[in-house]
Amino acid sequence: QKEVEQNSGPLSVPEGAIASLNCTYSDRGSQSFFWYRQYSGKSPELIMSIYSNGDKEDGRFTAQLNKASQYVSLLIRDSQPSDSATYLCAASYNQGGKLIFGQGTELSVKP
Amino acid sequence: DTGVSQDPRHKITKRGQNVTFRCDPISEHNRLYWYRQTLGQGPEFLTYFQNEAQLEKSRLLSDRFSAERPKGSFSTLEIQRTEQGDSAMYLCASSPPGYEQYFGPGTRLTVT
Repeated sequence: QKEVEQNSGPLSVPEGAIASLNCTYSDRGSQSFFWYRQYSGKSPELIMSIYSNGDKEDGRFTAQLNKASQYVSLLIRDSQPSDSATYLCAASYNQGGKLIFGQGTELSVKP
Repeated sequence: DTGVSQDPRHKITKRGQNVTFRCDPISEHNRLYWYRQTLGQGPEFLTYFQNEAQLEKSRLLSDRFSAERPKGSFSTLEIQRTEQGDSAMYLCASSPPGYEQYFGPGTRLTVT
């Protein structure tokens, strides 16, 4: 059974701090990794994708992938109250195939 | 707006009734996916299509569920003889020939 695991939280950080979200996956064959943000009652919104080891930065977001440790993380710098949401980690083990999601981490950014 | 669209956005039905949902993908995307999400969980894969071909269906998916994409454009998901356990958000996503999937707004199903 291919699994993606996340700490469900909630993770609470003060405004302006760095939020660190973590994810592990069980299938070493996983090739692609994604972070989605989901506001309450809304659908998931893609914020980052990462395919190779290392860091990938996009604005205030940095995704990190370590395939040897089967670990993916998302850093959010200068956290804002509008970043308060559930963050979903997902993995895909073949090109364009299904996504396996973690249960999501709830982030709360306090003003 | 050229995003993924889903219809209806909300559906309330009585147990035992059949329901059908529609998804219109982003126009240039040839892959279309269906997921189901319950409260506090991540989306769970149901099935996906490349053009009109259904390439994979979850083994967890009951025979009461069927999906089609007859012309490789929009897709429908039908649930027959609905049960209370079918209550969930049904999400559709599409992708170009590549990796990134973009989700529609979802259809929230409530079975009473």
